[in-house]
Amino acid sequence: QVQLQESGPGLVKPSETLSLTCTVSGGSMNSYYWNWIRQPPGKGLEWIGYFSDSGRTDYNPSLKSRVTISVDTSKTQFSLKLTSVSAADTAVYYCATDAGSGIPNAFDIWGQGTLVTVSS
Amino acid sequence: EIVLTQSPATLSLSPGERATLSCRASQSISRYLAWYQQRPGQAPRLLMYDASTRATGTPARFSGSGSGTDFTLTIHSLEPEDFVLYYCQQRSVWPLTFGGGTKVEI
Repeated sequence: QVQLQESGPGLVKPSETLSLTCTVSGGSMNSYYWNWIRQPPGKGLEWIGYFSDSGRTDYNPSLKSRVTISVDTSKTQFSLKLTSVSAADTAVYYCATDAGSGIPNAFDIWGQGTLVTVSS
Repeated sequence: EIVLTQSPATLSLSPGERATLSCRASQSISRYLAWYQQRPGQAPRLLMYDASTRATGTPARFSGSGSGTDFTLTIHSLEPEDFVLYYCQQRSVWPLTFGGGTKVEI
């Protein structure tokens, strides 16, 4: 069974770049969609973007100019970079995939989430 | 972007009662709607996909219905562990979007 684990700094300064990694264990990254989703404290969920097994990426238009998602299949990891962060980017960041259900973009496998705070 | 509106924001019920949660889409999404449950401090858990298909491990007391723009998640007899947050999510159109959530409270 695929498992996901986020890692990265918990504190980022305003205007800097947020960088997170999601490590995939228990399965291959050769299929499915590999996503980042975030949740500001006390608020709802926001889809950030995905990387697919075909090599395609797509991002939420609200973040597109600042987001890059990349994959290192040799390390079974995928990463999120978000540039020029502000306090509005403070959130719990989750990596998620549909690798369990096989239903595209029905996320049945999630990491535990990592809180990233943007503050000087 | 498709906007998903969940209602009510908060649902106050007692164990054993039936809960009816609504999710309305700003345009038709066929049946491409999923429901998630989120406990405090935890990641969301997939309950239902394609409007009415229970995900692996979802108890039978949960059922989903709807198509087009109007969807419902029903919890037929609330258990104590069901008093948490629920989100809907559409996978019909990019960008993927989530509803604002419904909190089921005692």
